[in-house]
Amino acid sequence: QVTLRESGPALVKPTQTLTLTCTFSGFSLSTSGMCVSWIRQPPGKALEWLALIDWDDDKYYSTSLKTRLTISKDTSKNQVVLTMTNMDPVDTATYYCARMDAYGSGSPDYWGQGTLVTVSS
Amino acid sequence: DIQMTQSPSTLSASVGDRVTITCRASQSISSWLAWYQQKPGKAPKLLIYKASSLESGVPSRFSGSGSGTEFTLTISSLQPDDFATYYCQQYNSYSLTFGGGTKVEIK
Repeated sequence: QVTLRESGPALVKPTQTLTLTCTFSGFSLSTSGMCVSWIRQPPGKALEWLALIDWDDDKYYSTSLKTRLTISKDTSKNQVVLTMTNMDPVDTATYYCARMDAYGSGSPDYWGQGTLVTVSS
Repeated sequence: DIQMTQSPSTLSASVGDRVTITCRASQSISSWLAWYQQKPGKAPKLLIYKASSLESGVPSRFSGSGSGTEFTLTISSLQPDDFATYYCQQYNSYSLTFGGGTKVEIK
């Protein structure tokens, strides 16, 4: 079955760089159509898409955050890594990774449980 | 960027009610629209994709319709397990946007 799990620091200081890892199983990111997205949700607020990487190693970013984000994959390890630079308290949120099949539903269908990242000095 | 506007932001309803949530896109997205249900402390759950396709395992009381810029999610008979927050999401050219959410509360 498909599973995803996010890992990374629970607390980062302002101006630091956040690195999150999504480790998944049950699918391969080298299979045509497969993608992994990162999505975040500040406490009590709506979901916000951050970035997407596809099977062909093409990368797509939120327009408002693209200068701060880098997404990459390690297909052999079944991992996707997201880095976000210059963290600010407004970046406090639960960060999710999710699988997407561009040739199937076209929307994130399997999600990790999420990891809460707090930005505070 | 495509903006997604959901209405209402909060909805009070009773068990057995028919519930409709609307989502509007700032430009045409064809049928690239999904609906999610989210409960507190949990990840979102995909309910509907491509505007009207029911995700496997989702009860048939959930249905979606629309194309272009106007979409609706309908719950035909609200059940106790359905009290949650619902989000629409568009997918266009490898860019995703979520709506602001609709919280369905017990009346």
